Formats: sequence, structure tokens, C-alpha cells
Amino acid sequence: AQSVAQPEDQVNVAEGNPLTVKCTYSVSGNPYLFWYVQYPNRGLQFLLKYITGDNLVKGSYGFEAEFNKSQTSFHLKKPSALVSDSALYFCAVRDSANFGNEKLTFGTGTRLTIIP
Amino acid sequence: EAGVVQSPRYKIIEKKQPVAFWCNPISGHNTLYWYLQNLGQGPELLIRYENEEAVDDSQLPKDRFSAERLKGVDSTLKIQPAELGDSAVYLCASSAGQGATYEQYFGPGTRLTVT
Repeated sequence: AQSVAQPEDQVNVAEGNPLTVKCTYSVSGNPYLFWYVQYPNRGLQFLLKYITGDNLVKGSYGFEAEFNKSQTSFHLKKPSALVSDSALYFCAVRDSANFGNEKLTFGTGTRLTIIP
Repeated sequence: EAGVVQSPRYKIIEKKQPVAFWCNPISGHNTLYWYLQNLGQGPELLIRYENEEAVDDSQLPKDRFSAERLKGVDSTLKIQPAELGDSAVYLCASSAGQGATYEQYFGPGTRLTVT
């Protein structure tokens, strides 16, 4: 069964500092990995995805994520945090082995707070 | 381009009452999803449609939940009767295809409170 873990419920970062939001996954086949962000009273917004190719994926709002197969991780990063980055971040995974049942499994979310 | 539209945004009902949520996906998106999001949790899939066909409803509690997508565009999710434990945010999402590589686009959700 596919699963994803976000080990940190809360991450606090000073404005201007680099940020990392951690995600690890478990699949039977190859992983298709996604990051979403959720602002208060709004739906999830797609940030970026890894399907194949370069391990470093660039997405919206200056975010990027690094796929690491040996560590089964897909950490979200940004070189310089903005106060407006404060939100709830979700990592999600699909398993290539589940052909015909491409269920997307979400983590429990990490609340990112950028301190001015 | 308009995003996924959901209504109502908020709904408060008493237990045992019926409730319905409506979703209009992004134009041209044939795949539509309904998710349940409990407080402090990630979304969990309830049902997935390919056009008007429900291709995955294994997580839908069929004794009280039902959904339809009659013309392959708009969709309605219904709960009858509602229970206290149904209080949550119900999210609708759509994608351009059903393959695993397609990202999903989410609506703002309907926050249901059952009293």
C-alpha cells in the first residue's frame, strides 16, 4: 500500500532564511510525488510534481523539491522564506504499480509559519 | 480560466437532516474527485469520476452518502441522514486526465457542521 509521512506538524522559519518541509513516502512501484499548499479557507493549490527525470523539481512561488530515491524522500525547499509562505503544506504520492487505480494519498500536513 | 467552483461554502445542519454539495470542475476536465478533509488531516478520497462514470467509490460510505455526475460535468455529493461525525470539509477536485501523472485542481471546499 502507498503511504506518505510528514514528520513535522509545525515548522517555524525566520523571514529570509531557507526553509525545508520534509516528506517521505512508501510505494511498491515508482512514485509520482506532489506538493500542495492550503491557505486558510481555501482549497489546496498545486505547487509542483515529480514524475521522472531530474531529481530537482521547480514549482510555483519559488519553491522546489528534491527527489531522493535512496532515502524515499521528497522534501520541499525554498532559498528565502517570505511571510506570505505561511500556510499548510501537503505532500502526496501515487504508486505507478496501482495501474487503473491511481489513488492520490496525502500526508497529514505541515504548518509552516514564517516569522517576520 | 475559472477554477473549480463549489457551493455552498459553509453549511450548518442538525443531525439526521439531509445535505447536498455541488461542484463544477474546470472546463474540459473529465476527471472529478470528491474528498473528505477532517481537521488536522490530509484529504481522503471518497469517489472518483471519469466523465459520468464512478470508477472508484470504494471509500464512499454508501449507506448514507451518494454522488452523481449525470452529464459528465457538474457533480453533487449528498449525505442522508447526516451524523455528528460527518462534520468536515468536503473538497472537490478535477484533473485533465485520469493518469497518475496528472495534478489535481481543488475547489475551496464546503465546511459542514452537524449539530
